[in-house]
Amino acid sequence: DTAVSQTPKYLVTQMGNDKSIKCEQNLGHDTMYWYKQDSKKFLKIMFSYNNKELIINETVPNRFSPKSPDKAHLNLHINSLELGDSAVYFCASSPAGRTFGQEKLFFGSGTQLSVL
Amino acid sequence: AQSVTQLDSQVPVFEEAPVELRCNYSSSVSVYLFWYVQYPNQGLQLLLKYLSGSTLVKGINGFEAEFNKSQTSFHLRKPSVHISDTAEYFCAVTPLPGGSYIPTFGRGTSLIVHP
Repeated sequence: DTAVSQTPKYLVTQMGNDKSIKCEQNLGHDTMYWYKQDSKKFLKIMFSYNNKELIINETVPNRFSPKSPDKAHLNLHINSLELGDSAVYFCASSPAGRTFGQEKLFFGSGTQLSVL
Repeated sequence: AQSVTQLDSQVPVFEEAPVELRCNYSSSVSVYLFWYVQYPNQGLQLLLKYLSGSTLVKGINGFEAEFNKSQTSFHLRKPSVHISDTAEYFCAVTPLPGGSYIPTFGRGTSLIVHP
């Protein structure tokens, strides 16, 4: 009964390839996020969706494209992978509404992407 | 915009000793404050949060943190650590309503508990 699940857990690929990471949450949350964690453990927000609508798009190369088919899913597609894309990518979700900002984030267990 | 500074990248400590992990933040608006823990190969989990009221908040696993508005700090403490507390700890802030609502994380502090 994983609340936020990401697949795959590990992804090893060559430079220039296109890959996708899938995320699903069964918590009924309206808001989902993608974070990138670099080798020094720094967590940086990439995208945030609220009810399938993009609300935050930080300075991320346009090779990264999030897609939210419904509010329970937020997938991350990456084109033309580069060495610098190697990192751990975390999906997260939180409830929206009046208490938005007060609620904790629920994180998936991460996808470790290695670009060779 | 907000920023979070975790002053120590690594804190080694012996089992059963007390520990304090430091967090300072900068923000032009009031914020909510959080501490998360990340165990190896896992996602982050909430330890505790401060929204309002008493400045001393208690969380899971015996951790507590104190909000100090004048010093813009939210340090995490535990009186006696266990080996199982070895993990990465992240301080985070979220602006109060009217802001972006997106949590900003510090760079993390690696707590290493030695037997």
